[in-house]
Amino acid sequence: DVKVTQSSRYLVKRTGEKVFLECVQDMDHENMFWYRQDPGLGLRLIYFSYDVKMKEKGDIPEGYSVSREKKERFSLILESASTNQTSMYLCASISRRLAGLEQFFGPGTRLTVL
Amino acid sequence: AQSVTQLDSHVSVSEGTPVLLRCNYSSSYSPSLFWYVQHPNKGLQLLLKYTSAATLVKGINGFEAEFKKSETSFHLTKPSAHMSDAAEYFCVVSDPGSSNTGKLIFGQGTTLQVKP
Repeated sequence: DVKVTQSSRYLVKRTGEKVFLECVQDMDHENMFWYRQDPGLGLRLIYFSYDVKMKEKGDIPEGYSVSREKKERFSLILESASTNQTSMYLCASISRRLAGLEQFFGPGTRLTVL
Repeated sequence: AQSVTQLDSHVSVSEGTPVLLRCNYSSSYSPSLFWYVQHPNKGLQLLLKYTSAATLVKGINGFEAEFKKSETSFHLTKPSAHMSDAAEYFCVVSDPGSSNTGKLIFGQGTTLQVKP
């Protein structure tokens, strides 16, 4: 079974802090994604990566950056956290061979910015 | 542009009665469509998927969905609701440019409440 893990289930940070959210997958997937989930808005794509050191902006990249130094790990960075970044963050991955099919999701990190 | 609309933000049913969660999509080509479920404090789990094979798709836990191109719909149904079905459900369509990236477009979600 594919396993996608996220470093924290719950995180509380203060405004202005730099925040790192980590995601690791164990199936050698090329493509990885970061979403944020807000009530009534579904999941919105922040960034995705299709290879090591390769990244593309999603629909809502403002205030975020990402890092993909190793194939299995995709990090989301909030350079200076703000209260409007309080949300559930979900990581997902898929093999490029299966792109266009379902993605595999981690359990999510619920981030609260005070 | 691709889009997905879930017609109900909240659906409430009694245990043992049918479930219908409605989804409409817009697409200029034949898309891949999915339903995901998210139980409280859990990640997303794939319920079922349509990828241009049979139009009636069966998924896990007794759910099924029918792809109707003429109506641009992909409604999710289950004959008899169970308490454990209470969750949030997302209708999802593949992005037309996603042949290499796998990008997906999510609906807004429908919360299913099951009353005893």
